[in-house]
Amino acid sequence: AQKVTQAQTEISVVEKEDVTLDCVYETRDTTYYLFWYKQPPSGELVFLIRRNSFDEQNEISGRYSWNFQKSTSSFNFTITASQVVDSAVYFCALRERSGGYQKVTFGTGTKLQVIP
Amino acid sequence: EAQVTQNPRYLITVTGKKLTVTCSQNMNHEYMSWYRQDPGLGLRQIYYSMNVEVTDKGDVPEGYKVSRKEKRNFPLILESPSPNQTSLYFCASSFRGRAEETQYFGPGTRLLVL
Repeated sequence: AQKVTQAQTEISVVEKEDVTLDCVYETRDTTYYLFWYKQPPSGELVFLIRRNSFDEQNEISGRYSWNFQKSTSSFNFTITASQVVDSAVYFCALRERSGGYQKVTFGTGTKLQVIP
Repeated sequence: EAQVTQNPRYLITVTGKKLTVTCSQNMNHEYMSWYRQDPGLGLRQIYYSMNVEVTDKGDVPEGYKVSRKEKRNFPLILESPSPNQTSLYFCASSFRGRAEETQYFGPGTRLLVL
């Protein structure tokens, strides 16, 4: 069974600090996709990134970066020089090949508070 | 504009009064799904649909019904709502078999059952 664990329930940082959000997943599939979503206080879900299981290259997008390590089944998300606008709940999610990708399993989310 | 719409966005109701939350997408997606979000539990899948007239249970289907008579619409039906169905509900859609694509999520429906 697929599972996504986000062990950090809440994190508080002071503005301009770097912060890393952890995501650990479990799957028996060799082909799968990982996602990160942001949910700001307004409630909508904002897609941030997807990564397939065959691509372990790290990715950087502005102040955001993602570290995918299959050896540890982790897909961690780092925000550099955090800003107040980064305050949100962040979800990691997994979509497996088995079953035709019907199901997406979400972690329980990490609430990030950036203090000015 | 590509989008998933949900209605209503906010709803307060009483126990036992049947309600329907509508979901519609304009991207010709085959795959649609409903999730509920509860504090500390993340998003959990309620039902999903692979295409018209094809639906299946997700992780938490009890107390819910769905139908998929048209490709663009996927309503969520609560025949007899109970307070434990108070939650934030999201509808999502994507192309079937293209897992590399993200799901598109609706704006969410906040439901309070008294």
